[in-house]
Parts: sequence; C-alpha cells; structure tokens
Amino acid sequence: AQRVTQPEKLLSVFKGAPVELKCNYSYSGSPELFWYVQYSRQRLQLLLRHISRESIKGFTADLNKGETSFHLKKPFAQEEDSAMYYCALSVSNSGGYQKVTFGTGTKLQVIP
Amino acid sequence: KAGVTQTPRYLIKTRGQQVTLSCSPISGHRSVSWYQQTPGQGLQFLFEYFSETQRNKGNFPGRFSGRQFSNSRSEMNVSTLELGDSALYLCASSPAGTSFNEQFFGPGTRLTVL
Repeated sequence: AQRVTQPEKLLSVFKGAPVELKCNYSYSGSPELFWYVQYSRQRLQLLLRHISRESIKGFTADLNKGETSFHLKKPFAQEEDSAMYYCALSVSNSGGYQKVTFGTGTKLQVIP
Repeated sequence: KAGVTQTPRYLIKTRGQQVTLSCSPISGHRSVSWYQQTPGQGLQFLFEYFSETQRNKGNFPGRFSGRQFSNSRSEMNVSTLELGDSALYLCASSPAGTSFNEQFFGPGTRLTVL
C-alpha cells in the first residue's frame, strides 16, 4: 500500500530564509506526486506536480526516486507563503483509476 | 467555470443518526472523490466515483457510502454516526480521474457529532 510521510507538523522560518518541506513516500511503482496548499480560509489547491517540473510562486520540488522523496523548496520565504502544505501521491489501480494518498500536512509559518 | 460546491457547509448531528452530504463537481468533470480531514490524520481518502460507478475505495467502515448521479453530482452518506466521525469532509473533482489529474477541491462540509 502507498504511504506519504511529512515528518514536520510545523515549520517556522524567518522571512527571507530558505524553506524545505519534507515529503517521503512509499510506493513500488512509478508515482505521480503533487504538492497542495491551503491558505487560511481558502480551499485546498494544487501548488505543483512533479510531472510538470515547474516552479510556482518560487517553489520547486524534485522527485528523488532513490530516496523516495519529493521535498518542496523555496530559496527565500515570504510572509504570504504561510499556509498548510500537503504532499500527495497519486497511483492508478489495476483498472487505471486514480487513488490519491495525502500526507498529514506541514504548517509553514513565516515570521516577519 | 464555477468551482466545486458542497452542501451543507456545517452540520451538527448526534450519535447514532445518519447524514448525507452533497457535492457538485466542476462542469465537465466526471470524477468525484471524497476525503475526511481531521487535525491528527490529515486527509484520508474515502472513495472515488466516475460515471456513477465507485472505482476506488479507502479503508473506511461500511457505514460510509456514496453514490454518483448521471449529472456527476455525488452524495456521501454516513450511517450510525460516531463521535469520531466529526471532521471536515472534502469533495474533489477532476476531469477523468487518472493519476496525473489535478484535483479541484470544494470548501468542505464541517460535521460535528455530539
């Protein structure tokens, strides 16, 4: 069975400092990995996905299959980055249908 | 396009009762997934529907059930409510429900069981 681990419940950093939100997964096949973000009083929304290899709002994430990790990084934290971040693993069952497993989330607090 | 909508937004029930939650996906989206969100467990997958068929199911007891209608709207039902069922229930839709699809979330229904 697949699993997603986000070891930190809370990560506090100062504005301008680098950010790294950790995500490790367990899955024997080829995973599709995502980061979702939930800002205060807003809906959960997609931040980025590994298949796109894009940078969104200065955030990047690299899939490391050897370490089974998909850590989210940003070189300089901004106050508006304060939010709840969820790492998610999407796999297809034998019928090709999607099942998404989320981590427990990390709350990022950027201190002014 | 209008986003995913969920009704009701808040619900208070007592133990032993049953509850039905509703979700309307984004127009054109045929896959609807349900999640239970709690502070300690994060988001846990309940089930996924596509074209009125349940295609995937999480590890929840049979008290949790759902269905999808021909217009892709979905309902989730919880019978014999327990205190531990208090949570935010999120619905998410995607175009086809394949593994690389982004999921679009609704605002959630906050269920409190007394």
